[in-house]
Amino acid sequence: DAGVIQSPRHEVTEMGQEVTLRCKPISGHDYLFWYRQTMMRGLELLIYFNNNVPIDDSGMPEDRFSAKMPNASFSTLKIQPSEPRDSAVYFCASSLGGGETQYFGPGTRLLVL
Amino acid sequence: SQQGEEDPQALSIQEGENATMNCSYKTSINNLQWYRQNSGRGLVHLILIRSNEREKHSGRLRVTLDTSKKSSSLLITASRAADTASYFCATDARHDMRFGAGTRLTVKP
Repeated sequence: DAGVIQSPRHEVTEMGQEVTLRCKPISGHDYLFWYRQTMMRGLELLIYFNNNVPIDDSGMPEDRFSAKMPNASFSTLKIQPSEPRDSAVYFCASSLGGGETQYFGPGTRLLVL
Repeated sequence: SQQGEEDPQALSIQEGENATMNCSYKTSINNLQWYRQNSGRGLVHLILIRSNEREKHSGRLRVTLDTSKKSSSLLITASRAADTASYFCATDARHDMRFGAGTRLTVKP
């Protein structure tokens, strides 16, 4: 298995632009998680899905952030409009079962100028 | 919100020495996991210990769990320079995992 795949690996954009991050979970996994990591705040859970349904989005910082999972093999995290404080590394992870081992993707390093 | 808290925040040792990191948590758990993160990479799962287990081994890793004290420890024996990384504990919270802030381990050659 290729593991969790994220794209792009790096994104540089200007403030106000829309940013879309993509994730392909491990085939057969029923949970998908989006995290954000910064030096100041550490690793934060933004949202997670179970069987493509959003379960808990309480970590999504603002209405500028939205996430979708149209099918079991694809999820997106969108930021519109982006701001410099959104600069961070965004990780996607998947697991088979809730509270079980999570497999992380390589992350998307986002820089908003 | 974070559940686990690792201690110390940073640890520096010489190659060959043992490294011990601790994790404390607040609520009851079903399992506790340890992850490693190399700089610029995603987290990698190391070991999972369930609430009814007290100790678990995997290679040079030894994890203990004390549910009465709500704490866990990760011991890396005979450390190597390649063990330099950040180590996170994570506890299950219903369906997801809550990660601590991590311990930054530096192993000097």
